[in-house]
Amino acid sequence: AQSVTQPDIHITVSEGASLELRCNYSYGATPYLFWYVQSPGQGLQLLLKYFSGDTLVQGIKGFEAEFKRSQSSFNLRKPSVHWSDAAEYFCAVGAGLTGGGNKLTFGTGTQLKVEL
Amino acid sequence: DSGVTQTPKHLITATGQRVTLRCSPRSGDLSVYWYQQSLDQGLQFLIQYYNGEERAKGNILERFSAQQFPDLHSELNLSSLELGDSALYFCASSPEQGPRRGYTFGSGTRLTVV
Repeated sequence: AQSVTQPDIHITVSEGASLELRCNYSYGATPYLFWYVQSPGQGLQLLLKYFSGDTLVQGIKGFEAEFKRSQSSFNLRKPSVHWSDAAEYFCAVGAGLTGGGNKLTFGTGTQLKVEL
Repeated sequence: DSGVTQTPKHLITATGQRVTLRCSPRSGDLSVYWYQQSLDQGLQFLIQYYNGEERAKGNILERFSAQQFPDLHSELNLSSLELGDSALYFCASSPEQGPRRGYTFGSGTRLTVV
């Protein structure tokens, strides 16, 4: 079964500093990988996704992520954080299931705080 | 606006009661997924429907059931509610059966059981 680990529960960065959020996954085949962001009281917004091809993917709001198969990682990065980036970030792996269905398995999330 | 509509946004009900949560998927999407988000369990997959048929089941309690109607909207029914069922319930939709084209989430229904 697939699983996702986000080792950092909380991260605090200063506005303008760079950001890297870690994500490690476990899945037997090539995974479908996603990063979502959730602001307080809001739904989940897709930042970016990886299925195949170029291992460096660009997303919305200036975010990017790099897929590293050898490390089973899909870390999220941003060169310069804005105060509005404060939110909770979820890494997820999508996988097919027996019977034709599929599901997203989420990590436990990383809460990002941005200091002004 | 993601295009996935969930109603109601908030729901407060008593233990033992039954509620129905509704989800309208994004236009053109055939798959609907239900997720539960709670502080202790995180985001848990409950169930998937594709074009009216159940396709996958996750950690869904027997007291919970769902269906997808011919117009593709979906309802999640929660019965014999317990305090522990208090959570944020998300619906997501996707164009196809598999994960390749990603998932779009609604803004959720916050259920409080008192």
